[in-house]
Amino acid sequence: EVVLTQSPGTLSLSPGQRATLSCRASQSITGNSLAWYQQKPGQAPRLLMYAISSRATGIPDRFSGTGSGTDFTLTISSLEPQDFAMYHCHQYGSSPHSFGQGTKLELK
Amino acid sequence: DGQLMESGGGLVQPGRSLRLSCAASGFTFYDYAMHWVRQISGKGLEWVSGMSGDGGMIDYSDSVKGRFVISRDNAKRSLYLQMDNLRPEDTALYYCAISSGGYFGDIDIWGPGTLVTVSS
Repeated sequence: EVVLTQSPGTLSLSPGQRATLSCRASQSITGNSLAWYQQKPGQAPRLLMYAISSRATGIPDRFSGTGSGTDFTLTISSLEPQDFAMYHCHQYGSSPHSFGQGTKLELK
Repeated sequence: DGQLMESGGGLVQPGRSLRLSCAASGFTFYDYAMHWVRQISGKGLEWVSGMSGDGGMIDYSDSVKGRFVISRDNAKRSLYLQMDNLRPEDTALYYCAISSGGYFGDIDIWGPGTLVTVSS
């Protein structure tokens, strides 16, 4: 089973700043099968990125995903007020699937 | 656009059973892999179980293996999760979700979730 570890647990930033969220896997991810989701309080998660670096439909280009092997990063180039939320990474290249424990991006 | 709606959650005593259902609409149900993902309040997501469109691929997390069973009825466009021998640590919001890219695909669409509380 692939264990995903996200860091930091909480990230406190201000609008306009750059956010860098990390997701590390316990073993190499199969087939670039790494996704990121955004979740706001009281809502279901929403797909942001898939296949490491592909943006889902309607996701603005201030969101970008990079990485390979075991280390992956979600970057938000310039934070907008609506970006403050919980972010989850997900590997779907091997079974069982697994998620990281989440990073809370909060307003400083 | 596809939509999902879970039902069947509630309060149940430890050791008892519960069956969750997920009704799908707006997409060709049998083409899509389906998953159950849960979330303890305010915490991270935990993948629970998944099944391919044809039912040929099924898996479970170690935490539920042997206690939970996933199934689907393509004619009824529904996904199920039979949960037996429930434990307090199974208390969570349970989401139904789909992968349009197959079992080994990202999760495109999520339902709103149904809350399961295991307590005496």
